Amino acid sequence: AQKITQTQPGMFVQEKEAVTLDCTYDTSDPSYGLFWYKQPSSGEMIFLIYQGSYDQQNATEGRYSLNFQKARKSANLVISASQLGDSAMYFCAMREGPNFGNEKLTFGTGTRLTIIP
Amino acid sequence: DADVTQTPRNRITKTGKRIMLECSQTKGHDRMYWYRQDPGLGLRLIYYSFDVKDINKGEISDGYSVSRQAQAKFSLSLESAIPNQTALYFCATSARVGGTDTQYFGPGTRLTVL
Repeated sequence: AQKITQTQPGMFVQEKEAVTLDCTYDTSDPSYGLFWYKQPSSGEMIFLIYQGSYDQQNATEGRYSLNFQKARKSANLVISASQLGDSAMYFCAMREGPNFGNEKLTFGTGTRLTIIP
Repeated sequence: DADVTQTPRNRITKTGKRIMLECSQTKGHDRMYWYRQDPGLGLRLIYYSFDVKDINKGEISDGYSVSRQAQAKFSLSLESAIPNQTALYFCATSARVGGTDTQYFGPGTRLTVL
């Protein structure tokens, strides 16, 4: 079974609208972490946001927030007030196990987001 | 200057050739990683290193080897390149940020094996 599933290969969103990128995960480990990365057309991978399995509140970083629904095993990325520069591939990733000293990240296949002017 | 640099950025080679991809970092992080990215498959871990003396295989290490020459340098070698190793290769380092180890990626090396 896929550990990380991103069901939206591509999305088109009007500029200034909010957008939600879906991510579901599968793990039996009670301790895990979820990450979102952005990959612009230039190719680099940019860390956006992190959510730990024991975190009580949803993570937020500027215009990015993570809608963490533990019972549903989903960790959707929400981008508020989208901008043209948000056009990129977005990857969800998971670390299984404790916060520290456990390095393996499993990545989803990504969602290509295109912001329309 | 970028914190994590990769050389070369692009490389075209032929089947059977030995190729080395290099990664350098100025972040002072102990932990470094090599990933490959294939279309439709996301990123997959090849090797990772916790320090100069500690190197570990990742998900897809067959056909690859690594060398951690110093804390700041981590090289990936393809001993005898084959076409299905054509991919985008990323080096990453990690540090503790916001309660967890967070990985920071280099710009990538696009490798084509003919």
